[in-house]
Amino acid sequence: DTGVSQNPRHKITKRGQNVTFRCDPISEHNRLYWYRQTLGQGPEFLTYFQNEAQLEKSRLLSDRFSAERPKGSFSTLEIQRTEQGDSAMYLCASSYKGTGFSGNTIYFGEGSWLTVV
Amino acid sequence: AQTVTQSQPEMSVQEAETVTLSCTYDTSESDYYLFWYKQPPSRQMILVIRQEAYKQQNATENRFSVNFQKAAKSFSLKISDSQLGDAAMYFCAYRVTYSGAGSYQLTFGKGTKLSVIP
Repeated sequence: DTGVSQNPRHKITKRGQNVTFRCDPISEHNRLYWYRQTLGQGPEFLTYFQNEAQLEKSRLLSDRFSAERPKGSFSTLEIQRTEQGDSAMYLCASSYKGTGFSGNTIYFGEGSWLTVV
Repeated sequence: AQTVTQSQPEMSVQEAETVTLSCTYDTSESDYYLFWYKQPPSRQMILVIRQEAYKQQNATENRFSVNFQKAAKSFSLKISDSQLGDAAMYFCAYRVTYSGAGSYQLTFGKGTKLSVIP
C-alpha cells in the first residue's frame, strides 16, 4: 500500500493557462474522488469516479474543469483558462470497493497546490 | 443537505494534557459514518478515527477517542496525553453509508487548529 499519489505537488501558472493534475489511487481502490481546499476551509467535494465512470459532479465543477479516469486506475483533473479564484489545494482520494468500514473510509493524497498569478 | 459544524476555530493544549474538539452535524439519514481527519502542516489529510452511526459504542484508537451522541448529532474528539506531533488542523467529516447508489461525498467542517504547548 503506497498511498494515494498526486503530482505535481505545486504548480504556479498564469491566468488563462491550462493545468492538469494527476492522481494515482491506492491499488485495488475502485473509487476515486477529487476535492478542493482553500486556506482556512475544509475540503469541498468536486467529483467522484467508480472505476472509469464519473458518477457524481459538484456544482463547483464548472465547465472549465474536466476530470477523467480512462482505464479505471489513475485520474486527471484539468482546469482550462485558469482564474485567480482557482488557486487552491486539489486533493485526490480513494476508497475500496464494497461496504462496511473499508468501503466507507476515504484515504487522501498529499494534494496538488495551484497558484494562479 | 448535510452540514458539519466545528465551533472552535482554534484550540490549545498543554503537552501531556487532554483536549476535546467539538463537532455537530445535521442530517436526516439514519445510517452514516463520521470521521475525524488530521491535517498537519505538510497538508496530507490523515484519518484519525471513524464511527458508524448504528454502533452505540464510542470508537477509540490509542490516545484518540470519540463521544458520539446520535440523538444530539454530536461527535467530539478527545485526545489524551497530547503530544507535540498532535499539532494540526482537525476536520470532522460526515458521509452517508454507501449502499450502491446516491451521493457518497464527504462533507467536512471548517476545521479546528490545535496547538500543543510544550
